[in-house]
Amino acid sequence: SQTIHQWPATLVQPVGSPLSLECTVEGTSNPNLYWYRQAAGRGLQLLFYSVGIGQISSEVPQNLSASRPQDRQFILSSKKLLLSDSGFYLCAWSVPDRVNQPQHFGDGTRLSIL
Amino acid sequence: AQSVAQPEDQVNVAEGNPLTVKCTYSVSGNPYLFWYVQYPNRGLQFLLKYITGDNLVKGSYGFEAEFNKSQTSFHLKKPSALVSDSALYFCAVRPNTNAGKSTFGDGTTLTVKP
Repeated sequence: SQTIHQWPATLVQPVGSPLSLECTVEGTSNPNLYWYRQAAGRGLQLLFYSVGIGQISSEVPQNLSASRPQDRQFILSSKKLLLSDSGFYLCAWSVPDRVNQPQHFGDGTRLSIL
Repeated sequence: AQSVAQPEDQVNVAEGNPLTVKCTYSVSGNPYLFWYVQYPNRGLQFLLKYITGDNLVKGSYGFEAEFNKSQTSFHLKKPSALVSDSALYFCAVRPNTNAGKSTFGDGTTLTVKP
């Protein structure tokens, strides 16, 4: 069966520090991968999505970047964190070319910027 | 552009009573519709989906949803609520094209009181 892992679960970082959040998927090949941010337990904002290695689409201009160095690995990064980067970051995957299938989410990383 | 509206931020019901969480959508063409549930500090879990066919869709944990094309709605229902159903619920829509991405509603917090 397929599983998705995100780490760390929680992270406290000072303003101006770098960030690296990692997401890996097991049990499937060439998944579509997504990074979302959820503010204050409400709606999801799509940050990045990827349909393959090295293929990243950015949905909103921001202080963050994403990379997909391997088929089932998706990394969210920042060179210098801002206070506004605080939030709950969720990684998700879906079956490629099957738009009638749901997304499957990891358990998220809660990021607090001090 | 596609959109999803969940008109109620909060729904409160007594245990054993029926529950409804409302969702309306706007999308070009035929929609794929999804409901997800999120428990505190967890990722979203898939509950059910409408692709085509029967307008009443049954999903996990006794939940069901009714697709109404004329009202562009996809309300989530359960005949008898449990305290353990208390969570944040998200409706999502995706157009039936390979290029389509999911759009999520802002979420509805369901509280079931004993």
